[in-house]
Amino acid sequence: DQQVKQNSPSLSVQEGRISILNCDYTNSMFDYFLWYKKYPAEGPTFLISISSIKDKNEDGRFTVFLNKSAKHLSLHIVPSQPGDSAVYFCAASASGSGGYQKVTFGTGTKLQVIP
Amino acid sequence: DAGVTQSPTHLIKTRGQQVTLRCSPKSGHDTVSWYQQALGQGPQFIFQYYEEEERQRGNFPDRFSGHQFPNYSSELNVNALLLGDSALYLCASSSGLFGAGGEQFFGPGTRLTVL
Repeated sequence: DQQVKQNSPSLSVQEGRISILNCDYTNSMFDYFLWYKKYPAEGPTFLISISSIKDKNEDGRFTVFLNKSAKHLSLHIVPSQPGDSAVYFCAASASGSGGYQKVTFGTGTKLQVIP
Repeated sequence: DAGVTQSPTHLIKTRGQQVTLRCSPKSGHDTVSWYQQALGQGPQFIFQYYEEEERQRGNFPDRFSGHQFPNYSSELNVNALLLGDSALYLCASSSGLFGAGGEQFFGPGTRLTVL
């Protein structure tokens, strides 16, 4: 059961344009959503997160939008830069027993920013 | 400030063998989580350790076990290795339960190949 889905395995964008990465989820109990970026031979790096009580969070060139009714979130990167080329994972966390957060990852979207 | 470190970087084992992977969390972090990332997939949560106890567990069989030491470092043990255990094993650390919004810091991973 894939609770967090990234339906686009890859995305190519011209440098300077907007990159939009999408993610869908099925579990209504998720209370935080996160985006991680992963370069080859490195572990994922935290990028930005959003609480389930918000619909937008912005950090520099990165903005995450949450549509709870559609169980959909997206990451916007503006403007896109070649250094943004990486695999982007959408993740969601829910409180487990004892209050500990359990994180579920999507399968990733490989972003290529073309100079 | 050292980030999350993992050893070894690569490992080759044969079916039926046992393996131990090691992780040192980022300085100041006391919670360690382990993930398995198969090729083309997102990280799958194995378990989480806090205060030397397993606090949360994903859908992995008992062949997967772990330990956390008083200095917060951790080991992942896998017994009776199967071909399907071949994957990148990621360790992630955080402070307290999970960081705000589930943010974790990941190590570069250990690539396990089972022949």
